[in-house]
Amino acid sequence: GAGVSQSPSNKVTEKGKDVELRCDPISGHTALYWYRQSLGQGLEFLIYFQGNSAPDKSGLPSDRFSAERTGGSVSTLTIQRTQQEDSAVYLCASSPQYQETQYFGPGTRLLVL
Amino acid sequence: DAKTTQPPSMDCAEGRAANLPCNHSTISGNEYVYWYRQIHSQGPQYIIHGLKNNETNEMASLIITEDRKSSTLILPHATLRDTAVYYCIVRASYGQNFVFGPGTRLSVLP
Repeated sequence: GAGVSQSPSNKVTEKGKDVELRCDPISGHTALYWYRQSLGQGLEFLIYFQGNSAPDKSGLPSDRFSAERTGGSVSTLTIQRTQQEDSAVYLCASSPQYQETQYFGPGTRLLVL
Repeated sequence: DAKTTQPPSMDCAEGRAANLPCNHSTISGNEYVYWYRQIHSQGPQYIIHGLKNNETNEMASLIITEDRKSSTLILPHATLRDTAVYYCIVRASYGQNFVFGPGTRLSVLP
């Protein structure tokens, strides 16, 4: 079946612009997760959704980052007033229920010039 | 912080078994051991997980010591496509998120 998909696959933006990253989880998965991976680094957990709710937003790096999920499916990660240090690969994962095995998408490579 | 310790890199000859170790000496009774891998420029891929017993699937085998303080992921016949960073993660069944450490960079050599 279809896996987790993310769009765009690559995004180049100018410092100060806003960007939206999209994640389509596996159909029927109730939990959705966002991670960030800087070049050569490990994965940094950002936020998770159980249904449309995000119980813990403490992993978001700053208040420029926000995320939402609608209809228990698609999620959008928004970064406002992007900075160069936001450049990274943003990965989305989903799982049937919270804390079950996570399946990852291919990521969105964000470059802020 | 990651609760696991892995060697930063390993080499393995193509066709041979790759044995990737992981130490998790502070593991709790309700924490599972998970293995993921990340091939260059791709998202992490789930491999296998276990609690106490050894596990095997079509990708790999997971051997967990009796005291559960360490484990080994075994790729029985490594191929060049198995070259990747392998992450060992311990996580409770509920209430914790996955914490990815730096992992082991496995290079399968022809």
